[in-house]
Formats: sequence, structure tokens, C-alpha cells
Amino acid sequence: NAGVTQTPKFQVLKTGQSMTLQCAQDMNHEYMSWYRQDPGMGLRLIHYSVGAGITDQGEVPNGYNVSRSTTEDFPLRLLSAAPSQTSVYFCASSYSSYEAMNTEAFFGQGTRLTVV
Amino acid sequence: GENVEQHPSTLSVQEGDSAVIKCTYSDSASNYFPWYKQELGKGPQLIIDIRSNVGEKKDQRIAVTLNKTAKHFSLHITETQPEDSAVYFCAAWMDSSYKLIFGSGTRLLVRP
Repeated sequence: NAGVTQTPKFQVLKTGQSMTLQCAQDMNHEYMSWYRQDPGMGLRLIHYSVGAGITDQGEVPNGYNVSRSTTEDFPLRLLSAAPSQTSVYFCASSYSSYEAMNTEAFFGQGTRLTVV
Repeated sequence: GENVEQHPSTLSVQEGDSAVIKCTYSDSASNYFPWYKQELGKGPQLIIDIRSNVGEKKDQRIAVTLNKTAKHFSLHITETQPEDSAVYFCAAWMDSSYKLIFGSGTRLLVRP
């Protein structure tokens, strides 16, 4: 049982490049989410998903796309990277759904992204 | 809007003293309030949580209190130890929008 796995751990991009941050969980959790962490600003929600085929925007969705084709995977896409997207990105999953009361969110180890 | 405010941003205490971190939330429909600890280079990990039907919860040296009327909840750490040094985040589950919103974090330093 690996929990939440994020890849890569580190990435440097040039402005305008695109990339996908991968997130996979093996706990059969319905709810998955992406956060970015910046100094002094805590964890800000980018996008979330309550189940396969359903995604929605969080607090800071601009510049990011997501999809949820399976329960296990929730990739985050940067279509045209900007220096303002330099941050540490965390993926999380939990049992929460529209029907179930919120429960513990399990986080991955993070992806440190630098856009130059 | 949906908001969680957390104070203080930094907290330094002597080993053995108590530490208190406070949060307020905006959505009156919020019903779940977890606290996370983040050590350097790692993802946040749940340390304690409380639901809206409970006013206080304890787990050894850690306790959380909730005041639903004031939309305020707090983390209390007693008999602090150097290994308690970390960044702590409060969060609130926004039941109206199915989002878990975090506070801005508190960096706790426990001086030996």
C-alpha cells in the first residue's frame, strides 16, 4: 500500500513549456485534490475531484487543467508554464464524496516546480 | 467567500511550555476541522481532527477546541518537545462546495 504517489519530485521548466504532474493513489479514495504551497500563503486548492469523470475548480485554478478518467489517477497539467507557477505542488486523496462525511486527507510527498 | 484565517504565523516556545494556534472560518456549514503537521520536505500529515457535533477532543498532548457560534477553533499542544517543531495547518471542510480549505500555516519552534 503506497498511499499517494507523486511524480516527479523536482522539475525545472522554461516559461511557455507544458508538463503534467502525476498523482496516483491505491486506497480506492473517491476524492482527490491538488494544492500549491507558497511561503506565507499556506496550501491553496487548485482543482479537486469527487470521483472519476467529475472535476471542479478550487481557489486558484487559472493556468491549470485536470482530468479524472480513473479512480486512481488525477494528473495536473500546466499548458504554458509561467514563473508565477513556481511552487511546491501537493496531491491529496480522501474517502470524502458527496455522500460520505469528510475524512482524513492523505498527501503525497510533493513536487517542487521551478519555472525560469 | 470561503476563507480560513490562522494565527500566529510563527510561534516560538520553550520546551515544556504550551503552544496555542487559532483559526477562524467563514462557512457556517463547515462540519469538519482537521489539523495537519508538516515537517521539512514532507507532505502534511493529519494529527487531530474535530467534527461540528463535538466541542473538544484530546489525544495525549494535543487537543482541539471548537466554538461553532464564533466559527473559531484552536489547537493546543502541552508539554512541548523539540520534535514538535514543524509547520502546522488548520483546515475546514466547506460542506457547501465540497472543498477542504487550509489556513496559511504556523511555524512552531520549540527551543530546547
